[in-house]
Amino acid sequence: EDQVTQSPEALRLQEGESSSLNCSYTVSGLRGLFWYRQDPGKGPEFLFTLYSAGEEKEKERLKATLTKKESFLHITAPKPEDSATYLCASRQDNTDKLIFGTGTRLQVFP
Amino acid sequence: KAGVTQTPRYLIKTRGQQVTLSCSPISGHRSVSWYQQTPGQGLQFLFEYFSETQRNKGNFPGRFSGRQFSNSRSEMNVSTLELGDSALYLCASSRGPGETQYFGPGTRLLVL
Repeated sequence: EDQVTQSPEALRLQEGESSSLNCSYTVSGLRGLFWYRQDPGKGPEFLFTLYSAGEEKEKERLKATLTKKESFLHITAPKPEDSATYLCASRQDNTDKLIFGTGTRLQVFP
Repeated sequence: KAGVTQTPRYLIKTRGQQVTLSCSPISGHRSVSWYQQTPGQGLQFLFEYFSETQRNKGNFPGRFSGRQFSNSRSEMNVSTLELGDSALYLCASSRGPGETQYFGPGTRLLVL
């Protein structure tokens, strides 16, 4: 069964302390690996889409990378406003069905 | 450009009732998908619509249904509500199947 697993479940960082979030997927024929950010009480906000192993994308303090089995979301010198739940999702075909992981809840303290 | 809008934002119902949720996609987007988010199960795919046709359906009972109108707006309906249907229901739109999905703020449903 296609599955997406995220780790850690929760992460507490000091402001400026860089770290990485992991997303493992077991989808055959991956047609896109997505990262979203979700703030409490809000819908997920799109961050990145990755399609092939070796691909990297950056936005401000965030950088997403993709291998054949995993994706990483690297957060460099995080700020308190980066605190949110980060969701990873895979798509295996040309439909809109996304399979989501359970997310990593990130808290950044000043 | 306005984002995805969902109405109502909050809803309280009792067991056995039915509910209809509405979603207006981003202008120009023709695909709409629905997801259920709960603390225990996370985000789970409900169904996907494009050009008024359901293209894909998740593993939910027949009490969950939806439709899409010619202006791409979509509604989902849950009949005979159960306590376990309490969740955040999220709508996402995209230009077309396989394109990036953008989510609305969700409708929080509480079933008592």
